Amino acid sequence: GNSVTQMEGPVTLSEEAFLTINCTYTATGYPSLFWYVQYPGEGLQLLLKATKADDKGSNKGFEATYRKETTSFHLEKGSVQVSDSAVYFCALSDKAAGNKLTFGGGTRVLVKP
Amino acid sequence: GAVVSQHPSWVICKSGTSVKIECRSLDFQATTMFWYRQFPKQSLMLMATSNEGSKATYEQGVEKDKFLINHASLTLSTLTVTSAHPEDSSFYICSASSAGLGFYEQYFGPGTRLTVT
Repeated sequence: GNSVTQMEGPVTLSEEAFLTINCTYTATGYPSLFWYVQYPGEGLQLLLKATKADDKGSNKGFEATYRKETTSFHLEKGSVQVSDSAVYFCALSDKAAGNKLTFGGGTRVLVKP
Repeated sequence: GAVVSQHPSWVICKSGTSVKIECRSLDFQATTMFWYRQFPKQSLMLMATSNEGSKATYEQGVEKDKFLINHASLTLSTLTVTSAHPEDSSFYICSASSAGLGFYEQYFGPGTRLTVT
């Protein structure tokens, strides 16, 4: 079956620091990959996505590249802000599984001023 | 575009009563809607998938008779928690997808926090 593994948090950073959240996946087909962000008390917002190998998703200074050879989709941001404090979820969607999303466990990020 | 709303955003009910949560796609027709449950500081657990006009498909371990899902139109799905008990307290999130928006992508509602006393 499909699975997503992401680094456990919490990750605590200072403002303007570099952020990396590792995400690896296992899938039987050719999945699409996503990063979602969840702010306290809210639902999930799509942060970025990539639908095929070597695609790079980017949004709000965040980037992630779909690496088929390493089955990874690591999230990076060069300079975080306090407002980036949230929980980040890596996920995959596989047509073979009816486009159901498989989520990683989530990584809580806390950015301190 | 691709906005999904949920109502109510939070609800408190007494043990033994039923509560209905609505999920609406506001600016698109949702071919498929998904219902998730999220426990504090945990990931999302898919409960069921529903297609308009069809019975919902429940994930293993989810009680069909307890969590009733109706997807009567292309813009509305409802989740009814029947005979709720304190252990049903959780954050319930719906999402919707549409073939016209890229079938593989889901758009999430803001969630409904249910507290059963």
